[in-house]
Amino acid sequence: DAGVIQSPRHEVTEMGQEVTLRCKPISGHDYLFWYRQTMMRGLELLIYFNNNVPIDDSGMPEDRFSAKMPNASFSTLKIQPSEPRDSAVYFCASSPQEGMEKLFFGSGTQLSVL
Amino acid sequence: QKEVEQNSGPLSVPEGAIASLNCTYSDRGSQSFFWYRQYSGKSPELIMFIYSNGDKEDGRFTAQLNKASQYVSLLIRDSQPSDSATYLCAVNKVTNDYKLSFGAGTTVTVRA
Repeated sequence: DAGVIQSPRHEVTEMGQEVTLRCKPISGHDYLFWYRQTMMRGLELLIYFNNNVPIDDSGMPEDRFSAKMPNASFSTLKIQPSEPRDSAVYFCASSPQEGMEKLFFGSGTQLSVL
Repeated sequence: QKEVEQNSGPLSVPEGAIASLNCTYSDRGSQSFFWYRQYSGKSPELIMFIYSNGDKEDGRFTAQLNKASQYVSLLIRDSQPSDSATYLCAVNKVTNDYKLSFGAGTTVTVRA
């Protein structure tokens, strides 16, 4: 398996623009997670899905952020409108039902909002 | 109080020495504990997990858990330059709850 695949690797946009981050989890993994990492706040869980259903979105910072998982092999994280404080590395991760010891992260998307 | 706290570092050790990393957590009911390694510009990768009090060894890595003291540590024996990275402690509060709380990380530099 190719692992968790994220796109794009880098995204530079201007404040107010819509940003869409994409993720393909490892085949057969039931859980998908979106994390954000910054120097100030570290690694934070934004939202996670189980079998395509959002389970906990309490980490989503505000209504500008939304996430979807239309099928088992694809998820998106959308920011609309984007703001400079959204600049961070966004990681997608997936794990099987068996447990967090098999959690694998994607390579991340480096987002810069100017 | 942060949920998971780590020594801020950076921690510099000579090659061949033992690197000792510490992590404390605030929720006494926490169940599962993980150590991730993150190289600069890369994603975190799991290197150790521990669920029960005591020591768990895997190669040059040893995780130690003391739930009474709410403390988990990672020892890296015979440190190598390739161990230079940031180490993240993560805690799962409830079994079967898939929310991990991460510490800020400790950056380790192994001097050749």
